Amino acid sequence: RKEVEQDPGPFNVPEGATVAFNCTYSNSASQSFFWYRQDCRKEPKLLMSVYSSGNEDGRFTAQLNRASQYISLLIRDSKLSDSATYLCVVTLDTGRRALTFGSGTRLQVQP
Amino acid sequence: DGGITQSPKYLFRKEGQNVTLSCEQNLNHDAMYWYRQDPGQGLRLIYYSQIVNDFQKGDIAEGYSVSREKKESFPLTVTSAQKNPTAFYLCATTGRSKAFFGQGTRLTVV
Repeated sequence: RKEVEQDPGPFNVPEGATVAFNCTYSNSASQSFFWYRQDCRKEPKLLMSVYSSGNEDGRFTAQLNRASQYISLLIRDSKLSDSATYLCVVTLDTGRRALTFGSGTRLQVQP
Repeated sequence: DGGITQSPKYLFRKEGQNVTLSCEQNLNHDAMYWYRQDPGQGLRLIYYSQIVNDFQKGDIAEGYSVSREKKESFPLTVTSAQKNPTAFYLCATTGRSKAFFGQGTRLTVV
């Protein structure tokens, strides 16, 4: 089983749609959780951190369920510019291999 | 500005050559990482270093070597033993559990 699993997609949605991405992780000792966005042929960039209480940043909402070891990202009112690959990232605050990446979910927003 | 600088952005290598990818950071982060990304794929860990003069193999270390003589620098050498080196290489650091990336080096074997 992969340490961090994501649906690879692609998710093809029309502009204005709401889309949800899911991510599961296997290490119950994981401490920090993030969503990164990666545009084609570019480096990943931090989109938002994920907290147990849930957090929102404009059209983006992230949720964490520690009991189910599950993270989600919701994008409302999709824009063409949201087209990218979304990476789920889990970190351990101790130990040597702190970063674990999901393989990413590709989103294509269509006009 | 603080950040991570990878160079070169594009690199072409002849078969049988060793090449070295540069990664420099001025974020004062202890941990540094090298990842490889193939088209349509996720990031795979090559090597990581938690402290100066120490580094560990990741999942796909064969055919690669690294050094960590200074906190700021973590160069990656792609050796001739790496049979399929064409890929996008990303260097990263972690601080406050977050990952910061360089802009990447695209390596092509010609």
